[in-house]
Amino acid sequence: DVKVTQSSRYLVKRTGEKVFLECVQDMDHENMFWYRQDPGLGLRLIYFSYDVKMKEKGDIPEGYSVSREKKERFSLILESASTNQTSMYLCASSLWTSSMDTQYFGPGTRLTVL
Amino acid sequence: AQSVTQLGSHVSVSEGALVLLRCNYSSSVPPYLFWYVQYPNQGLQLLLKYTSAATLVKGINGFEAEFKKSETSFHLTKPSAHMSDAAEYFCAVSDQGGKLIFGQGTELSVKP
Repeated sequence: DVKVTQSSRYLVKRTGEKVFLECVQDMDHENMFWYRQDPGLGLRLIYFSYDVKMKEKGDIPEGYSVSREKKERFSLILESASTNQTSMYLCASSLWTSSMDTQYFGPGTRLTVL
Repeated sequence: AQSVTQLGSHVSVSEGALVLLRCNYSSSVPPYLFWYVQYPNQGLQLLLKYTSAATLVKGINGFEAEFKKSETSFHLTKPSAHMSDAAEYFCAVSDQGGKLIFGQGTELSVKP
């Protein structure tokens, strides 16, 4: 079974702090994704990566950056956290870039910025 | 550009009743379509996906969905709801390069 793990289930940070969210997958998947989930808005793609050291902006990249130094690990960075970044963050991975590929999700990190 | 609309942010059914969750898509190319389920405090889990092999797709936990090109729909059904089906359900359409475009989600409640 594919396993996608996220470093924290719940996180509370203060405005202006730098925040790191870590995601690790154990199935040698090429692609990794970061989404944020908000009520009534579904999931929105923040960033994705097709390969190590490669990254592409998604639909809402402002205020975020990412890092992929190793194939299995994809980090989301909030350079200076703001209250409007309070949300559920979900990481996902998929084997290839085929449009029919299944994405496998981690359990999510619920981030609260005070 | 691809898009997905889920009709109804909340659906409530009685245990044993039919479950119908609606999804309509917009796509400029033949679409690949997905239904995911999210149980409370968990990530998303794939229920089923349409990849053009068959228009009626069967998934896990007794769910199925039918792709109707003429109606641009991919509605999710289950003949008899169970209490354990209470969750949030997301329809998604694939975009270039394996990205997914998600609908807004539908929360399913099951009454005893």
